[in-house]
This record gives sequence, structure tokens and C-alpha cells, in this order.
Amino acid sequence: QVQLQESGPGLVKPSETLSLTCSVSAGAIGTNTYYWGWIRQPPGKGLEWIGSIHGSGSTYYNPSLKSRVIISVDTSQNQFSLKLNSVTAADTAVYYCARRLPRIGEPGGNHFDPWGLGILVTVSS
Amino acid sequence: EIVLTQSPATLSLSPGQRALLSCRASQSVRSQLAWYQQKPGQAPRLLIYDASNRATGIPTRFSGSGSGTDFRLTISSLEPEDFAVYYCQQRSDWVFTFGPGTKVEIK
Repeated sequence: QVQLQESGPGLVKPSETLSLTCSVSAGAIGTNTYYWGWIRQPPGKGLEWIGSIHGSGSTYYNPSLKSRVIISVDTSQNQFSLKLNSVTAADTAVYYCARRLPRIGEPGGNHFDPWGLGILVTVSS
Repeated sequence: EIVLTQSPATLSLSPGQRALLSCRASQSVRSQLAWYQQKPGQAPRLLIYDASNRATGIPTRFSGSGSGTDFRLTISSLEPEDFAVYYCQQRSDWVFTFGPGTKVEIK
């Protein structure tokens, strides 16, 4: 049973870089059978996909955030990370990491399961 | 980018009643639509994928239907733990989008 957990600073200053890590249990990233993703949710609002990454390092991003986002992976640590630069108050949100299904090569639409518990990041001076 | 619209925004029902939630896509997504449930302070939980397949461990009172641009999530008989916000989600052209959500509240 794969489990994911987000970690990182809960407070970031405006114009600085938000950095988060998602730790994945059971060595699942190294199997290269899945993509993984970051999704965020501003307080009281809906869900916004940020981007996704494969264990090989292949990425794709939300066009609305692409210029500010870098997602990377460290298979030796079973982790993938998010960096979002030039943050503003609008980036204040709960950030979730999740596994994208189905497995690579399997048919069907992409969806996310399971999700981490989420981490609240506040952008404020 | 495909836009998902959900209706109604809020659904006020009593336990035991049937809930019908709608999700409409701005372009066809074939059957590649998922539904999630989110309770306050919790992460979203996958309920339905590929429009009508229940995720592991999801009770049979949850069912999904539809294809193309019109989709429905049905909760046949609401249990107290079903009062939550429900989101639909799709991926097309390497971009994921979510609907704005439907809140199912106790009447």
C-alpha cells in the first residue's frame, strides 16, 4: 500500500521560492511504472493541478504555472520535489502530492490515487 | 484547456435520500473522467475513475455514468459520512483540470 507524505516550510516570504518534498513509501518511484503529481488547493477553494513527473525525470506542467515551476525526482531517496519561484499571497494553499494512475502502458484516463495528507504553505512577510 | 462545470454548487439533502451530481466538460473527454470526495481538513479521495469504475474500497452506493461531455455521480442513499464536497477531474492534452465542486450538505 503506497503512502505519500509532504514536507517542507509552512511559511514562505513573497518573491521567494516555495520548496516541498513528497516522500513515497515502498520504493514505488524506482519502479518507473507510474507518474507522480502535485496538486494545490487555496483555502476554501477548489483543486489546481501543478505538474507531474515520472521516475525517469520526464515532466509536464500546468501551462498557467509552467514559467515558475520545477518538479524533480530522486529515486534513491524515493522522493520527488516541487519548487515554485516568485511566490505571492495567491500561492498560499494546501499542497498535495499524489500518484497518477493507471500504470504506464495501461489504458484509461489519468487520475490520482492515493494522495498525501497535504501541507499548508502560507506566503506572507 | 478543457473546462469542467459542476452542478448544482450545493445540494441540501437528508440521510437516506438519493444524490445526483452533474459534471459537464467543455469538450468531449470520452469516458476519461474521475470523481473525488473531500471532507473538511482531509485530502481528496478517489471514488470513480473512467466515468463508471469504482475505486478500491468504495461502497456500492456510489456510481458514476456518462461519456463525452455529460457525466453524473449518484449516491443511492446518503449516509452521514457522505456529506462532503465532490470534484470531477479530467486529463486532456497533458493538462489536468478539476471542476469547481459540489457541496452535499445536510438538510
